[in-house]
Amino acid sequence: DIQMTQSPSTLSASVGDRVTITCRASQSISSWLAWYQQKPGTAPKLLIYKASNLESGVPSTFSGSGSGTEFTLTISSLQPDDFAAYYCQQYNSYPYTFGQGTKLEIK
Amino acid sequence: EVQLVESGGGFVQPGGSLRLSCAASGFTFSGFAMSWVRQAPGKGLEWVSVISYGGGSTYYADSVKGRFTISRDNSKNTLYLQMSSLRAEDTALYFCAKSTSSWSRGYFDYWGQGTLVTVSS
Repeated sequence: DIQMTQSPSTLSASVGDRVTITCRASQSISSWLAWYQQKPGTAPKLLIYKASNLESGVPSTFSGSGSGTEFTLTISSLQPDDFAAYYCQQYNSYPYTFGQGTKLEIK
Repeated sequence: EVQLVESGGGFVQPGGSLRLSCAASGFTFSGFAMSWVRQAPGKGLEWVSVISYGGGSTYYADSVKGRFTISRDNSKNTLYLQMSSLRAEDTALYFCAKSTSSWSRGYFDYWGQGTLVTVSS
């Protein structure tokens, strides 16, 4: 199985900050990586697919990059609505696997 | 508008069984693979199982293999998860999720709101 390791687990930041979350795969997954945002009590929401493609309706302050085993999610200027949990997920092969999540908190 | 509505969750004793359902609407259900993803209280997301667009192929996480069975009824636009031999560690919010592909290499573009399963004596 492919293991996905996200860092950091928790990130404290302020409105307007630029933040980056990293996700590493235990073997190459090409660009078969998605990022999701989840707020408490709600379902995950797709942000990025195929490593760097922005889902329709997602603000352009979100961007993704990487391929192979190392990937990043960047939020260029944090907005109040962005404080949430973020998960990466590989969909290169079954069983699909998620990173353990990054909780983005207000500093 | 795509909608996924889960039901069937509840309280069950260890060793018991439960069947979850996910009613889909707003897209061609028979054209896409569907998955179940769960989230234990306060924990991260765990992919559970997938079924191909026609139901002919399935895959399970090792943690549920042999205990859970995924199925679908394309005539009713409904996805199921039959859960048996339930354990305390199966306690979670169970989401159904629509894939963007008919089987493999699809990400999840739509999710249901989840149904809570609690396994406890």
